[in-house]
Amino acid sequence: AQSVTQLDSHVSVSEGTPVLLRCNYSSSYSPSLFWYVQHPNKGLQLLLKYTSAATLVKGINGFEAEFKKSETSFHLTKPSAHMSDAAEYFCVVSDRTDKLIFGTGTRLQVFP
Amino acid sequence: DAGVTQSPTHLIKTRGQQVTLRCSPKSGHDTVSWYQQALGQGPQFIFQYYEEEERQRGNFPDRFSGHQFPNYSSELNVNALLLGDSALYLCASSYTLGGGGADTQYFGPGTRLTVL
Repeated sequence: AQSVTQLDSHVSVSEGTPVLLRCNYSSSYSPSLFWYVQHPNKGLQLLLKYTSAATLVKGINGFEAEFKKSETSFHLTKPSAHMSDAAEYFCVVSDRTDKLIFGTGTRLQVFP
Repeated sequence: DAGVTQSPTHLIKTRGQQVTLRCSPKSGHDTVSWYQQALGQGPQFIFQYYEEEERQRGNFPDRFSGHQFPNYSSELNVNALLLGDSALYLCASSYTLGGGGADTQYFGPGTRLTVL
């Protein structure tokens, strides 16, 4: 069965410093992986997705993620945090039936 | 493009009542999936509809049922509401590809259901 583990429930950074949100996945085949962001009282917005093409995936708002099969990881990064990045981030894996399986989320706080 | 829309935005019900939530998919999408997001948790898959049929279902009781209409819009019905059904209900739409797999899912803003 497919699953994802988000290694940090909370991450705090200062504005202008790098962001790293960690995600490990488990899958018996080559997975489709996603990062979604959820701002308070809002729905989910797709940041980026990996579907077995390039291992470094660029998303919206300056975010990117690198698929590392040897480490079963799909960490999300951004070189410089902005106040508007404060939100809940979900790492997601898709199973063979295209059902999305979500991690427990990482709350990102950005301090001025 | 209006994106995925859901109605109502908020809903308050009492235990034992029934509720219907509605979803209109993004233009060009033919597949609708429903997810339940309890407070402080990640969304959990309820079921997915394609061609007006339930294509797959998550681990939810039969009190949860759905429907998809010819225009691809969808309803989620929950009977005999329990306090534990209080959650944000999210609808996601996608396009089913020729091989049967679904493309990227795009989410609506959700319906916040409170059961008292």
